[in-house]
Amino acid sequence: KAGVTQTPRYLIKTRGQQVTLSCSPISGHRSVSWYQQTPGQGLQFLFEYFSETQRNKGNFPGRFSGRQFSNSRSEMNVSTLELGDSALYLCASSLGGPNNEQFFGPGTRLTVL
Amino acid sequence: GQNIDQPTEMTATEGAIVQINCTYQTSGFNGLFWYQQHAGEAPTFLSYNVLDGLEEKGRFSSFLSRSKGYSYLLLKELQMKDSASYLCAVRERQNSGYALNFGKGTSLLVTP
Repeated sequence: KAGVTQTPRYLIKTRGQQVTLSCSPISGHRSVSWYQQTPGQGLQFLFEYFSETQRNKGNFPGRFSGRQFSNSRSEMNVSTLELGDSALYLCASSLGGPNNEQFFGPGTRLTVL
Repeated sequence: GQNIDQPTEMTATEGAIVQINCTYQTSGFNGLFWYQQHAGEAPTFLSYNVLDGLEEKGRFSSFLSRSKGYSYLLLKELQMKDSASYLCAVRERQNSGYALNFGKGTSLLVTP
């Protein structure tokens, strides 16, 4: 069974640009969650999608958005990039129930110059 | 993760036992997870507690006390490969779903 995949693995952008990151969950998983990881703040929850609907959202500005497609693949978009958006962006998939563990992808390393 | 506290760093010797503590505050507790993350890699699941008590899984055990908002991860017979960051994460019921909120992680260094 293939794991969670994320593309691209590395990305360099400049301030003001926008970026789209992609996540393909484990086959059969309907929940995809996105996290931002930085050395100072650790892992912070961005949002969760389940069956194409945003089910939950963390405390990030509206520049961070996402969506989920009918095949459960998810994309995350960040507009008007700031230097502070440089981070590792991780997605995790699960079956979606309260007791289900999340499986993480390898992440996308975003650098904003 | 500002309501989830765990030590920043710990050092232990190969073959020893180490306990990593985690305290949390939440109004919608729905389970506590421990993840291991090696440098440059994704977090991997270690354990899950939703009821009070001890869950044992080989060299790893995790304990939960919901009334005290406290958990610990116990690693026995430490090996060099156990050097990693250990993340405590609390699942909280929010809106129509669940959010997994992480502590900042404990960096464990295992020395010979």
